[in-house]
Amino acid sequence: AQSVTQLDSHVSVSEGTPVLLRCNYSSSYSPSLFWYVQHPNKGLQLLLKYTSAATLVKGINGFEAEFKKSETSFHLTKPSAHMSDAAEYFCVVSLGGSYIPTFGRGTSLIVHP
Amino acid sequence: NAGVTQTPKFQVLKTGQSMTLQCAQDMNHNSMYWYRQDPGMGLRLIYYSASEGTTDKGEVPNGYNVSRLNKREFSLRLESAAPSQTSVYFCASIARLGGDGNTIYFGEGSWLTVV
Repeated sequence: AQSVTQLDSHVSVSEGTPVLLRCNYSSSYSPSLFWYVQHPNKGLQLLLKYTSAATLVKGINGFEAEFKKSETSFHLTKPSAHMSDAAEYFCVVSLGGSYIPTFGRGTSLIVHP
Repeated sequence: NAGVTQTPKFQVLKTGQSMTLQCAQDMNHNSMYWYRQDPGMGLRLIYYSASEGTTDKGEVPNGYNVSRLNKREFSLRLESAAPSQTSVYFCASIARLGGDGNTIYFGEGSWLTVV
């Protein structure tokens, strides 16, 4: 079975400061991992994905994530937050073979001026 | 290239009414999914179809039925709507094969309110 835990339901940062959104996963096999972003009343947009190539994955809008197998983590980071980054972020795990994506409960990123 | 298209975008139902959410993808994907999104719960899988002709229950299937009409279309039916089914519904698809095989593509969402 697979599962994903987003460790913080809310993260609050000031504009221009670093962002860290934490995600841990549980999987018996090598997973594919994703981060999606959802702005208020909008659909889901792919930020980045890990599919067993480079462990440091770069995504859109300056976000990146590092796959750490020993820690079963896939934390999302950005060096400098922008007001437009305020949104809900979802970590998703999908096992190759089953292809049933499982979502974390989401982290709401709040960016203060 | 439209991607994943779902309709309607907004719907208000009375308790006990029925309705069908439609989803179609034009990317020749094998697998399709229906999720519901509720505050603080993330997205929970209702039903999925691993390939044309097959459907399986997800985490929260009660009160729903699905039909994989063909490779393109996967519909979700509420036979007798209940207020607990007030939610945002997302359809998604995955290719499963090829270089982009496991990227999840989402529709824009359907906001459903049951009164």
